[in-house]
Amino acid sequence: KNQVEQSPQSLIILEGKNCTLQCNYTVSPFSNLRWYKQDTGRGPVSLTIMTFSENTKSNGRYTATLDADTKQSSLHITASQLSDSASYICVVSFLGGGFKTIFGAGTRLFVKA
Amino acid sequence: ETGVTQTPRHLVMGMTNKKSLKCEQHLGHNAMYWYKQSAKKPLELMFVYNFKEQTENNSVPSRFSPECPNSSHLFLHLHTLQPEDSALYLCASSQDWQRNTGELFFGEGSRLTVL
Repeated sequence: KNQVEQSPQSLIILEGKNCTLQCNYTVSPFSNLRWYKQDTGRGPVSLTIMTFSENTKSNGRYTATLDADTKQSSLHITASQLSDSASYICVVSFLGGGFKTIFGAGTRLFVKA
Repeated sequence: ETGVTQTPRHLVMGMTNKKSLKCEQHLGHNAMYWYKQSAKKPLELMFVYNFKEQTENNSVPSRFSPECPNSSHLFLHLHTLQPEDSALYLCASSQDWQRNTGELFFGEGSRLTVL
């Protein structure tokens, strides 16, 4: 069964600290993996996208990694800011005729001053 | 501004009402999507339209009726909804439904409350 699991469900960190969010998937055949950021009451916005051959991708203070062998991805946030408080959603696309995607439930990050 | 606009942003309706959600994209994309987002649950794909043709209907109850008059506009008509249908409804678009590297561009969502 195609699944995407994220951990932790929620996380509280102090401003300026680093954190890492995890995503494990069982999707096959794999096409690509994206991380989205969703602010409260807003739509998700893409942060990074990685295909099978890519194992790291950065977007400012956000760095995503991908291990296609173990089917794991992580999103590392460096020097967190209050504006990083949001839900982070892992989305895996797979080949199956058309645009097939599986969404994770997200990790809710709270950054406190 | 993602180029995908949803209206209304908030909607409260009774179970016997009929209302519609509207989505418009200004990105020149060919595929449009409706997703349902409930608290602490993954986004659920409801409908997909590619070049105005419906390509996916994920076993959505008939009280939700989509309409796609052209590649830039997508509607979700609502009638005789249930309280458990209360959720954030997100519209998204992508360049092409067939290309799995296509990024999804989401609207801000319509927060629906069914009383």
